Amino acid sequence: DAKTTQPPSMDCAEGRAANLPCNHSTISGNEYVYWYRQIHSQGPQYIIHGLKNNETNEMASLIITEDRKSSTLILPHATLRDTAVYYCIVRVSNTGTASKLTFGTGTRLQVTL
Amino acid sequence: DAGITQSPRHKVTETGTPVTLRCHQTENHRYMYWYRQDPGHGLRLIHYSYGVKDTDKGEVSDGYSVSRSKTEDFLLTLESATSSQTSVYFCAISESLFQETQYFGPGTRLLVL
Repeated sequence: DAKTTQPPSMDCAEGRAANLPCNHSTISGNEYVYWYRQIHSQGPQYIIHGLKNNETNEMASLIITEDRKSSTLILPHATLRDTAVYYCIVRVSNTGTASKLTFGTGTRLQVTL
Repeated sequence: DAGITQSPRHKVTETGTPVTLRCHQTENHRYMYWYRQDPGHGLRLIHYSYGVKDTDKGEVSDGYSVSRSKTEDFLLTLESATSSQTSVYFCAISESLFQETQYFGPGTRLLVL
């Protein structure tokens, strides 16, 4: 699985968009980009994933660059409850074995008033 | 939220004693996983299961064993607990091999004295 690089921390004002970057310059053509988050003292929570097209769901949008070497998770209107550690993960889907999500250290997003 | 429970939620034990953590799901998902989370390490996979009685090792499996006798239950056993196994343990489940996501339980905090 490709290695990812994320900033260790970011701040965002409540109500504004939070843009969390992730670099995955060694990504292969069959690897997906997944985003999870972990709110303090809770289990990780799946947010969104994509291969090469931009994706949007009720929680967030995922923008993947054309060369797929980086991506951005966008929380359009951040709230205090979005304060969490956000993990960007790159892996191959359908490997023939159970998935093994390898979490790095992520980006700690602090949403402030 | 996916129906995943973990028990106990908190446990204090002494070095050398056996400990069993339980993960129970109501989603009938095929795949189940045990992770540990430690400061500075993110989440690390201990063991996983791809069906009843089918399990395999993750990246940090030494000192741990697992069993899965029913689809809904996945047990993690520390045969002889050590202080280095003090951690937060998360169970996760997933349904399929294709573009799979994982859903996590609330975690178990284990302290080995």
